[in-house]
Amino acid sequence: EPEVTQTPSHQVTQMGQEVILRCVPISNHLYFYWYRQILGQKVEFLVSFYNNEISEKSEIFDDQFSVERPDGSNFTLKIRSTKLEDSAMYFCASTNFGTGGEETQYFGPGTRLLVL
Amino acid sequence: DQQVKQNSPSLSVQEGRISILNCDYTNSMFDYFLWYKKYPAEGPTFLISISSIKDKNEDGRFTVFLNKSAKHLSLHIVPSQPGDSAVYFCAATYSGAGSYQLTFGKGTKLSVIP
Repeated sequence: EPEVTQTPSHQVTQMGQEVILRCVPISNHLYFYWYRQILGQKVEFLVSFYNNEISEKSEIFDDQFSVERPDGSNFTLKIRSTKLEDSAMYFCASTNFGTGGEETQYFGPGTRLLVL
Repeated sequence: DQQVKQNSPSLSVQEGRISILNCDYTNSMFDYFLWYKKYPAEGPTFLISISSIKDKNEDGRFTVFLNKSAKHLSLHIVPSQPGDSAVYFCAATYSGAGSYQLTFGKGTKLSVIP
């Protein structure tokens, strides 16, 4: 069964450093997403991506964040200058529209980011 | 701003009995609802969904009920099995949300006791 994959599974970085989180969405999916879950809190939407551009972004997704689809398979989230509060589990998700306009998003296993 | 609320942080159920997980929402624009199951150190796994044009959807042991007037949905698991022990997230979206981004509840930790 196709699945979303993410690398690395864990990332430890120093405050102020840049990190790139990588995702390989399900191959025939067209919409891609990043979510994050800070420890003990709920999963929060960061950004969605369609047709090689951002379609929606939340207030969390400020200028320190960027997304890219550098090739036909990878989808990346870059945090330019990490802050302590960026420590969280980051999930990638992908989907394709159903015939009724409904969709189910399929999530990757996540990358646990720890900023020291 | 809790548009999706899961008011029970935890639930314990005996194996073989019914598990009922509840979810309330405040945004009347939501028209598609999903339940995800999450094990520690893994991503959310899709379980079952329901459109606002329906009031019930069933898939094996899992049934989701939607009460639009009460802005309430519930997930029933019958019979509950020890492998069902996980955190269950309710999520919602709507067709006017552009890219159908999901709004999640805080989750309910289900423990099924053998």
